[in-house]
Amino acid sequence: AQSVTQLGSHVSVSEGALVLLRCNYSSSVPPYLFWYVQYPNQGLQLLLKYTSAATLVKGINGFEAEFKKSETSFHLTKPSAHMSDAAEYFCAVSESDSWGKLQFGAGTQVVVTP
Amino acid sequence: DTGVSQDPRHKITKRGQNVTFRCDPISEHNRLYWYRQTLGQGPEFLTYFQNEAQLEKSRLLSDRFSAERPKGSFSTLEIQRTEQGDSAMYLCASSRGLQASNQPQHFGDGTRLSIL
Repeated sequence: AQSVTQLGSHVSVSEGALVLLRCNYSSSVPPYLFWYVQYPNQGLQLLLKYTSAATLVKGINGFEAEFKKSETSFHLTKPSAHMSDAAEYFCAVSESDSWGKLQFGAGTQVVVTP
Repeated sequence: DTGVSQDPRHKITKRGQNVTFRCDPISEHNRLYWYRQTLGQGPEFLTYFQNEAQLEKSRLLSDRFSAERPKGSFSTLEIQRTEQGDSAMYLCASSRGLQASNQPQHFGDGTRLSIL
């Protein structure tokens, strides 16, 4: 069985500051890991994915995430926050034998202050 | 790539009525997924299709819910005898390939259902 935990339901960052969103997972088999972003009243947009090729994954809009197997973590970072980064972010896991079914975390709402 | 399209965007109905949602996936995608998202939560998996075959259904999908994907193209999700607890955003996603676990899913903008 798999599960995803996102620490912190709300994060407030200043414009230009580091964005750090935490995600821990549990999985009985090697997982695939994803970060999605959701703007109000819209669907989810893929930021990046980990599929075992490299532990540091670069995504769109300047985001990156590092897979740490020993810590079962896949934290998302961005060096410098922009106002346009205000949105909800979801970490998701898919087990390699699950036909692609995604298990999502509860999400982290990011607020960016001037 | 025109993206995943969902219709309608919003649906308001009275408790006990039936509703049907439509999803048009990206044309070359053979996998189609339905998720439900309630306020303040992440999406929860409901069901998915490989072409026209429905391969898995979540326990969340009670017997009031039915999904179809005739001819392996668009899909419909029907809810019969709607209840207050059915109020949510219903998201459709599609992806390509047989080994789909590492293929990213592309999401539509969802159908927001409100039960009066």
